[in-house]
Amino acid sequence: DVQMTQSPSSVSASVGDRVTITCRASQDISDWLAWYQHKPGEPPRLLIYAASTLQSGVPSRFSGSGSGTDFTLTITNLQPEDFATYYCQQANSFPPPFGPGTKVDIK
Amino acid sequence: DVQLVESGGGLVHPGGSLRLSCEVSGFIFSRFGMSWLRQAPGKGLEWVSGISGNGDVTYYADSVKGRFTISRDNSKNTLFLQMNSLRADDTAVYHCAKDWGIVVPVPMGNWFDPWGQGTLVTVSS
Repeated sequence: DVQMTQSPSSVSASVGDRVTITCRASQDISDWLAWYQHKPGEPPRLLIYAASTLQSGVPSRFSGSGSGTDFTLTITNLQPEDFATYYCQQANSFPPPFGPGTKVDIK
Repeated sequence: DVQLVESGGGLVHPGGSLRLSCEVSGFIFSRFGMSWLRQAPGKGLEWVSGISGNGDVTYYADSVKGRFTISRDNSKNTLFLQMNSLRADDTAVYHCAKDWGIVVPVPMGNWFDPWGQGTLVTVSS
């Protein structure tokens, strides 16, 4: 099975900052990758699919890139509502593994 | 609006059983695969099980294979998860989610959106 890793595990940032989260797959997954945002008490929210396609309704300050084994989620101009945990997920086989998550908190 | 509402969670003793339900509205239920996913306390997200639109094909995580059964009733727009032989490490919030990908002939493009609010399953003596 494909394994997913993420770095960093946590990051402290301020409103207005640019935050970059990296996700790595243990084997080539082409662009079969999704990113989710998860806040306590809420269901996870799909942000990006197919590595770089923004889900409808997601602000354009979120962007995704990468293919193969290395992927990046970038949040530009961080907003107060963006403090959350972010997960990547491989999406071309079952079981579809998630990365361990990256918590973005307030500096 | 698409809505997914889970129910059926609760406190159960180790070895016990629970049946979760997920009532869906706002899209043509039978046209989409569905999945159950969970988050244990203090842990990350974990996919549990998936099912094709017509219910003929099912998949399970190794951790639940042989103990959990996913099913659906397309006439009632409802997804189910029968959980037997429950263990302490099954304690989690369980979410149902719409699967945008395909399951047959092979899983592909399986990103999940939206997710239901979740139902808490606690396995404890």
